[in-house]
Amino acid sequence: DGGITQSPKYLFRKEGQNVTLSCEQNLNHDAMYWYRQDPGQGLRLIYYSQIVNDFQKGDIAEGYSVSREKKESFPLTVTSAQKNPTAFYLCASSMTGCYGYTFGSGTRLTVV
Amino acid sequence: QQQVKQSPQSLIVQKGGISIINCAYENTAFDYFPWYQQFPGKGPALLIAIRPDVSEKKEGRFTISFNKSAKQFSLHIMDSQPGDSATYFCAAKRCYGGATNKLIFGTGTLLAVQP
Repeated sequence: DGGITQSPKYLFRKEGQNVTLSCEQNLNHDAMYWYRQDPGQGLRLIYYSQIVNDFQKGDIAEGYSVSREKKESFPLTVTSAQKNPTAFYLCASSMTGCYGYTFGSGTRLTVV
Repeated sequence: QQQVKQSPQSLIVQKGGISIINCAYENTAFDYFPWYQQFPGKGPALLIAIRPDVSEKKEGRFTISFNKSAKQFSLHIMDSQPGDSATYFCAAKRCYGGATNKLIFGTGTLLAVQP
């Protein structure tokens, strides 16, 4: 079955550490996105990529970094510069045109 | 001009009632309007979507009503069930010709259907 896989489901980070969240899709979608969701809040765009080897900052990119070396993969690194990283992180992908996003099941990151 | 405004923020409906969530947009170039349903701890899932060439689209108990002149669209959930309790997001985008293919999301509506 085609889909989008995020791992791990839960992640714990010590202060000062960088952590990388994985996002893989086998839908042959060109575009991929990372969102952050805080409790009871909406979806805030961190980074997005419309094509391999190219990506753009979203609304809250500070303290995060991404890469897009393969069409299928769009990992997100939460760096130590992100002061409040505890949140639910969602990855999504889409085709170009009149199509919606397919979301992954999310990674819950907690700073301990 | 890129915003999508969603209301209400939260909604309580009795089982069997009609749930109505409204969204308004500003960019007249938007031509794809999906609704997403999100359960706690899960990713949002596409529920139903509409394009501006029709005024209404129905899938089961879920209906999108679209008013192009008012730049508004709404989700109606008929015969609401406790299993419909979730957060609902509206969204909009320009399918072709824009600089990006991004969806612009509303702020979400938390729906609680009481048994």
